[in-house]
Amino acid sequence: AQSVSQHNHHVILSEAASLELGCNYSYGGTVNLFWYVQYPGQHLQLLLKYFSGDPLVKGIKGFEAEFIKSKFSFNLRKPSVQWSDTAEYFCAVNARGSQGNLIFGKGTKLSVKP
Amino acid sequence: SAVISQKPSRDICQRGTSLTIQCQVDSQVTMMFWYRQQPGQSLTLIATANQGSEATYESGFVIDKFPISRPNLTFSTLTVSNMSPEDSSIYLCSVTGGINSPLHFGNGTRLTVT
Repeated sequence: AQSVSQHNHHVILSEAASLELGCNYSYGGTVNLFWYVQYPGQHLQLLLKYFSGDPLVKGIKGFEAEFIKSKFSFNLRKPSVQWSDTAEYFCAVNARGSQGNLIFGKGTKLSVKP
Repeated sequence: SAVISQKPSRDICQRGTSLTIQCQVDSQVTMMFWYRQQPGQSLTLIATANQGSEATYESGFVIDKFPISRPNLTFSTLTVSNMSPEDSSIYLCSVTGGINSPLHFGNGTRLTVT
C-alpha cells in the first residue's frame, strides 16, 4: 500500500540549530514529492516540491529537501531555524502525471525555542 | 495560486444531524478535492469533486455519508451526514493547478460532534 512515514512526531530545537525532518515513502512508481507547512492558526502552505531534475530542491524561507530515490526518502532541511519556523510540517507524495490525490504523512510538529 | 474560502470555519454539532461545508475558489479549477484531518492523524482524501458528474470517493468513504456537490468550476459542497463523535475532524477543500501541480488548501472547517 502507498504510504508516507515521518519519523519524528515532535521536534524541539533552539534558535539557530540545524533542522532535518525525515520522510520516507512507499509508492510503486515515479512520484512527485511535497513538503507542506501549517503555521499555528493558518492553512496548509506549500514549502517546496520535487517533480524531476535536480534532486536537491529549494523552497521558501531557506528550506530545502533532497530526494534520494534509492532510499525512498525526501528529507527536509534548514541550516538555522528561527522561532517563526514553529509549525507542523507534512510530507506528501502522489504519482507522477496525476492531479491531486496526495498521500500525506502524519506530520511533524516543530517547536523552536527563542 | 488560487484563493480558497471555506464556510463555516468551525462548528459544534449534535449527534445525528448533518452539516454542509462550502468551498469557494476565486478562479475556475478543474480538480477540487475534499480531505479530512482527524485529531493526531494525517490528511486523508475523502473524494474528488467532479463538475457535472458524481464525485469519486476513496476507499472507506461513501456518498450516503459524505454527499458532495460541484455545480460549477469554482464551488463545491461537502455534507457530513448523520454525524457521530467519530466525525469530529478538520475538513479541508483543496484545488490543483493541473497535472503535476501542487495542491492548494483552504483554511479548513473544524467540526466537533457532541
